[in-house]
Amino acid sequence: DSGVTQTPKHLITATGQRVTLRCSPRSGDLSVYWYQQSLDQGLQFLIQYYNGEERAKGNILERFSAQQFPDLHSELNLSSLELGDSALYFCASSVNPYLYGYTFGSGTRLTVV
Amino acid sequence: KNQVEQSPQSLIILEGKNCTLQCNYTVSPFSNLRWYKQDTGRGPVSLTIMTFSENTKSNGRYTATLDADTKQSSLHITASQLSDSASYICVVSAETGANNLFFGTGTRLTVIP
Repeated sequence: DSGVTQTPKHLITATGQRVTLRCSPRSGDLSVYWYQQSLDQGLQFLIQYYNGEERAKGNILERFSAQQFPDLHSELNLSSLELGDSALYFCASSVNPYLYGYTFGSGTRLTVV
Repeated sequence: KNQVEQSPQSLIILEGKNCTLQCNYTVSPFSNLRWYKQDTGRGPVSLTIMTFSENTKSNGRYTATLDADTKQSSLHITASQLSDSASYICVVSAETGANNLFFGTGTRLTVIP
């Protein structure tokens, strides 16, 4: 157990639907990062939050949004889902990524049918 | 453009053999380089971190090298085990920028008995 908790582990939904992925960071980590990993692809940075505020954005679609709550857990909302959104979605947390790297959760596998 | 390229894309070796994975980067200004191991369907786990002044660092059977002049790093695995089968991801940090971690697409290693 890495200390980063992601739920659900698996999600199957239909095109056009909306889903919410949840992440609880490791205790003491203020930063949360969301990554998308499509089949046989590298990790693609989506968005970062630090202590409740958006800190950086990557290649995140407008159909996707995220937020970090006062208790530091984060949610990634994916709407108007398309087949191409099927992927593993990872959450990572860190107290200082340059010194300590990231701690990743086990991911949520999203399948859009 | 900041990029991280890994080779080979995939590798199959016999149990007990050694192997070396390569990572070339163009990230600047360079801060550090980290190797992650990602088991199938799991989140990446940090193996080693290399800073500018470090040439070699070992973590058990894993040895990472860094040549900051040529912007190359390698991960050498000795006496491979079946449990080494995973994707190995090279991540390079830049000193500046809001999103300053750059991920390689990984090398998928398969160790066969």
